[in-house]
Amino acid sequence: DTAVSQTPKYLVTQMGNDKSIKCEQNLGHDTMYWYKQDSKKFLKIMFSYNNKELIINETVPNRFSPKSPDKAHLNLHINSLELGDSAVYFCASSQVGTGVYGYTFGSGTRLTVV
Amino acid sequence: EDKVVQSPLSLVVHEGDTVTLNCSYEVTNFRSLLWYKQEKKAPTFLFMLTSSGIEKKSGRLSSILDKKELFSILNITATQTGDSAVYLCAVEATGNTGKLIFGQGTTLQVKP
Repeated sequence: DTAVSQTPKYLVTQMGNDKSIKCEQNLGHDTMYWYKQDSKKFLKIMFSYNNKELIINETVPNRFSPKSPDKAHLNLHINSLELGDSAVYFCASSQVGTGVYGYTFGSGTRLTVV
Repeated sequence: EDKVVQSPLSLVVHEGDTVTLNCSYEVTNFRSLLWYKQEKKAPTFLFMLTSSGIEKKSGRLSSILDKKELFSILNITATQTGDSAVYLCAVEATGNTGKLIFGQGTTLQVKP
C-alpha cells in the first residue's frame, strides 16, 4: 500500500491553463504539506494543513490554492499556469506533536508548463 | 531568515571511497535535523538528530550533530554505486508545525 500517493505523476500543460494535483495519505497523520522542488533540487515548503486547517502559507502566488476536504487528502489547484511554475511538486504528511517522526513524502508530480 | 546550507554541492568519488557531507544551519528555535536520500523520486528518510554529539548509524552511513557549532555531517564509508543520489539536509524549527527547511542538497556520484 502506498503511504502518500499523488496524482498525476506527470503533467504537461500550456501557459494560462488551470490544473490540479491530488494527494492522499493512508498513514493516519494529522498534517499534510505541499513542497516545490526546482530544477536545482531545492525543496521549499508551500503550504501545510493540520486537521483540515491551514497552518503554513509561505510566500506563494495566490494562483496556488490548496484544499483539504479531510485530513487524509490535500489537493493543490494552480490557476493561470506560468513557465516558472514548472517544477516537481511533492506532497508529504506527518503526525505533528511527535516531532517529525514518520515524515513521509509522496513520489512527486513533475509539472511542465510549455 | 532561517537558512540551511550544504556542502559540497556535488561530489564524484570511486567505489570504496569514504565521503563526508556537510550541513550548517541558522534557524530560530531548532528542534531537529534530518537527512534524506533522494534518487529518482521521493526523498527517503535516513536519520533524525536532536542531541549534540550522539552518532546515529545505519550500516555504512552515520551522522552526528553539533548544536554548539550549528552543523551536522553525514558520513558514507566504502561507497557503492547504489549510493549515488542527492542527499538532502533539513531542519525543523520554530514551533510545532512540522515545517522543514531544506538545504540545496549534495549530488553524490559514485563511479565503479
